[in-house]
Amino acid sequence: DTGVSQDPRHKITKRGQNVTFRCDPISEHNRLYWYRQTLGQGPEFLTYFQNEAQLEKSRLLSDRFSAERPKGSFSTLEIQRTEQGDSAMYLCASSFAGWTYGYTFGSGTRLTVV
Amino acid sequence: QKEVEQDPGPLSVPEGAIVSLNCTYSNSAFQYFMWYRQYSRKGPELLMYTYSSGNKEDGRFTAQVDKSSKYISLFIRDSQPSDSATYLCAMSAVNSGAGSYQLTFGKGTKLSVIP
Repeated sequence: DTGVSQDPRHKITKRGQNVTFRCDPISEHNRLYWYRQTLGQGPEFLTYFQNEAQLEKSRLLSDRFSAERPKGSFSTLEIQRTEQGDSAMYLCASSFAGWTYGYTFGSGTRLTVV
Repeated sequence: QKEVEQDPGPLSVPEGAIVSLNCTYSNSAFQYFMWYRQYSRKGPELLMYTYSSGNKEDGRFTAQVDKSSKYISLFIRDSQPSDSATYLCAMSAVNSGAGSYQLTFGKGTKLSVIP
């Protein structure tokens, strides 16, 4: 296990379509995070899982967004009825519980809504 | 005012120069401070982390935190072309919300080291 893996790397979709992204964290890590990064900005927190429980959601996570982490392993982030403003890099990260010194990010999924 | 302010640059320096990158913040609850490096179209990579105030050195990199001034810095000595990337500062409170230690990032500073 060499790191956090995200799939797909790139996704182009038409406005109004649904998209789903997958994240496979480092296997020993029980915390998993989703962030969103737009051009010229730093990543912004979306949501956080400890094991399979989604414990925190940002107000950025509108009701069109849903995230799951069944069985506390991989996670999916789904965006329904995509809008052009959803175009961004979606980053997944993972860490051990109690680890406060940052976490390991994946390479991200770049979403373009046309 | 954003919680974390970072000059986006771009910053261009000759190879071998000392680079100074900085962030200011407004939330006094922040106690964990990190610097990430991000290459184009890649995820951020953790470079340095510091708890509370003080300095930390790792090879050519030195991180400084001054909580009294709410100011953090990253110094890169003997900069190399391979250091060309965007540098993001990030911070976390001791216990944010449900204990997630969510990070608040600056915008990032784009650095180019010219051979």
